[in-house]
Amino acid sequence: DTGVSQDPRHKITKRGQNVTFRCDPISEHNRLYWYRQTLGQGPEFLTYFQNEAQLEKSRLLSDRFSAERPKGSFSTLEIQRTEQGDSAMYLCASGGINNEQFFGPGTRLTVL
Amino acid sequence: AQRVTQPEKLLSVFKGAPVELKCNYSYSGSPELFWYVQYSRQRLQLLLRHISRESIKGFTADLNKGETSFHLKKPFAQEEDSAMYYCALSLVQGGKLIFGQGTELSVKP
Repeated sequence: DTGVSQDPRHKITKRGQNVTFRCDPISEHNRLYWYRQTLGQGPEFLTYFQNEAQLEKSRLLSDRFSAERPKGSFSTLEIQRTEQGDSAMYLCASGGINNEQFFGPGTRLTVL
Repeated sequence: AQRVTQPEKLLSVFKGAPVELKCNYSYSGSPELFWYVQYSRQRLQLLLRHISRESIKGFTADLNKGETSFHLKKPFAQEEDSAMYYCALSLVQGGKLIFGQGTELSVKP
């Protein structure tokens, strides 16, 4: 296990299309987090899971966003009817028992 | 609302000079504070956390609850320290991180 992985690394889509991103956390970690980062800003929290339970979701998160972690392992983040404002880097992180979060390389989304 | 403020977007120093990256937070409780670093073309990684009270790559940070600050310091900057630095806080064990906007550190030869 070499760390958190994300797929795809880059996604270009047209406005109105749906996109889905995948995150594979470090295998022994039970917590998984999604963040979004735009240019010049720090990562902004979207949602997080403990095992398969989604424990918190940002109030800023539109209903077009949904995340799942069906078996408590990998997670998917889906954005429906994408808008240009959704263009950002989407980061996944996993966490173990000591409150440290390990980040993946991110998926860069560009909405045309 | 809880917030992390990093007042400098860019900090430029010469090699060997001292460095201080500022971080202030707004939260009345007892958060856990972190510094994350992102080197060019690499992923975000933890640099240090206040509860461990250790020095990593020559960097230290002290939590000052009175001033609600967690400034990152290094006495002698190196060129390889050039990177984006993010201060973050966690309100509860295992909870989300709230990040500042980041400071780009540029160390010139």
